[in-house]
Amino acid sequence: GENVEQHPSTLSVQEGDSAVIKCTYSDSASNYFPWYKQELGKGPQLIIDIRSNVGEKKDQRIAVTLNKTAKHFSLHITETQPEDSAVYFCAASRNQAGTALIFGKGTTLSVSS
Amino acid sequence: NAGVTQTPKFRVLKTGQSMTLLCAQDMNHEYMYWYRQDPGMGLRLIHYSVGEGTTAKGEVPDGYNVSRLKKQNFLLGLESAAPSQTSVYFCASSYSLGRATTDTQYFGPGTRLTVL
Repeated sequence: GENVEQHPSTLSVQEGDSAVIKCTYSDSASNYFPWYKQELGKGPQLIIDIRSNVGEKKDQRIAVTLNKTAKHFSLHITETQPEDSAVYFCAASRNQAGTALIFGKGTTLSVSS
Repeated sequence: NAGVTQTPKFRVLKTGQSMTLLCAQDMNHEYMYWYRQDPGMGLRLIHYSVGEGTTAKGEVPDGYNVSRLKKQNFLLGLESAAPSQTSVYFCASSYSLGRATTDTQYFGPGTRLTVL
């Protein structure tokens, strides 16, 4: 089955710096790669996702890149702000009926002002 | 539009007690999922449903049962709670008929369960 590895487990940056979180996956049939942000005491919220027919996707300060050959994808946050502090999860899945997301173990991002 | 809601928010059980967690969604989604989240483990799938009246096992199904009698509700049951089931439980839903993709999942706020 699919296995998703996520690094680093913790990341501390200064406000205004960039943050990069990387994930690798094992199932070459996976074709959907979302990123979730989880704030303390809340459920995960989708922030961006990418599908296998796209190499990069941007949404304001957030971008995701995908390298299908190497089976890894990354989340890039530019101009970080204190409100970006949260736990970030990557996930992977096949686009099939009822297919579950396989999550990485999460990265705790701390942005200090 | 409330999205995905879960009840209760918190619960403390004694070993051997039973309980049911309720998940409700108002997005007319076909698929629903139950995950558990443990420190350092990410989220792991317990059971899921691809439609009313259907359920299937996920990665960690032992000790749990589920039912999907109505499309908008997905129930997670613990028949005899054990301390190993202390966790935060999240429900998610996805896929509206007519959409091209099935995989974007929307999560509820979670239920924190402690089994003593």
